[in-house]
Amino acid sequence: QKEVEQDPGPLSVPEGAIVSLNCTYSNSAFQYFMWYRQYSRKGPELLMYTYSSGNKEDGRFTAQVDKSSKYISLFIRDSQPSDSATYLCAMSALRQAGTALIFGKGTTLSVSS
Amino acid sequence: NAGVTQTPKFRILKIGQSMTLQCTQDMNHNYMYWYRQDPGMGLKLIYYSVGAGITDKGEVPNGYNVSRSTTEDFPLRLELAAPSQTSVYFCASSLDSGHSPLHFGNGTRLTVT
Repeated sequence: QKEVEQDPGPLSVPEGAIVSLNCTYSNSAFQYFMWYRQYSRKGPELLMYTYSSGNKEDGRFTAQVDKSSKYISLFIRDSQPSDSATYLCAMSALRQAGTALIFGKGTTLSVSS
Repeated sequence: NAGVTQTPKFRILKIGQSMTLQCTQDMNHNYMYWYRQDPGMGLKLIYYSVGAGITDKGEVPNGYNVSRSTTEDFPLRLELAAPSQTSVYFCASSLDSGHSPLHFGNGTRLTVT
């Protein structure tokens, strides 16, 4: 079983839809969970950061972590064409997150107007 | 601030050739990283540096070398290019290794034929 599993999609939704992006993981020691957004031909940029379990909300974006199920989610409300990108989950067991980040393969999202 | 700047944007190499991928950051970040991103494979850490003069291997270091003589620059060297090194290479930096987000450059697209 891979450490981090992420459905690559592609996922196509109409503008205004609620989008759910998910990752599962196998390492119960993971404590730091991140979502990066990557536009075509660009580098990833950090979208959401969560420590341990629970929810975090930032505008139209909500990140959820369920450590008991080893499952994390990113919800996008009122999706916009500008949300069309690849979304990468990333996680780490250590506080030294940058040197021990495990990335998912990314889910490609397309929002049509 | 320019952030993280990578050059060149594109390069085609013949098998056995050498090249250096350049990366520079103007945020005075201590930590710098090199990742490769292959289609359907996610981001894999090649090398990282925790400060000038200090480097260490990541998950996939074979075939690459790095140096860190200044805080700003972190070049990646390919000595004998192989088709397996065809990929998109991303340089990133972070203020520290804890909760600081990774700031990525826009990548170098390398093809080895």
